[in-house]
Amino acid sequence: DAKTTQPPSMDCAEGRAANLPCNHSTISGNEYVYWYRQIHSQGPQYIIHGLKNNETNEMASLIITEDRKSSTLILPHATLRDTAVYYCIVRVHGSSNTGKLIFGQGTTLQVKP
Amino acid sequence: DVKVTQSSRYLVKRTGEKVFLECVQDMDHENMFWYRQDPGLGLRLIYFSYDVKMKEKGDIPEGYSVSREKKERFSLILESASTNQTSMYLCASSSPWGLDSPLHFGNGTRLTVT
Repeated sequence: DAKTTQPPSMDCAEGRAANLPCNHSTISGNEYVYWYRQIHSQGPQYIIHGLKNNETNEMASLIITEDRKSSTLILPHATLRDTAVYYCIVRVHGSSNTGKLIFGQGTTLQVKP
Repeated sequence: DVKVTQSSRYLVKRTGEKVFLECVQDMDHENMFWYRQDPGLGLRLIYFSYDVKMKEKGDIPEGYSVSREKKERFSLILESASTNQTSMYLCASSSPWGLDSPLHFGNGTRLTVT
């Protein structure tokens, strides 16, 4: 699986959009970009994933650059409950059958009032 | 919404005890996984199962065993708990179907072995 690089920490004002970047310059054509987050003392929570098109769901939007070497997770209106560690992961198709999931250090997002 | 439920949030056990960690999922997922999470080491896969009564070793199976008698339930067993098994244990499930099925995690069991 390709390696990802994320900033270690970010701050965001409550109510504003939080934009979390991720670099994955060695991504392969069959690798998906996934985002999870982990709130302190809880299990990782799936947020969103995509292959090459931008994706949106009720939690967030995922913007993937045309060359797929980087992506941005957007939380449109951050709340204090969005304070968490956010992990960007690239996964080979089929790895849901083997559980191979490498969580890096992630980005600690602090949402401030 | 997918729900993965781990039976205990916190457990304290003594060295040498046999420990059972239970996990139940309600989405009829074929795949289930057990991980441990330790500071600085990320998630490490212990065992996984892709069907009832089937199991596969992950990256760190030593000292653990698993049981999958029913599709919705996956148990992790520490045969003789040791202090180095103090950790956060996470269960997850996923569907094998489709190109890009995400893993869904439970809230974890924080196990302390004294």
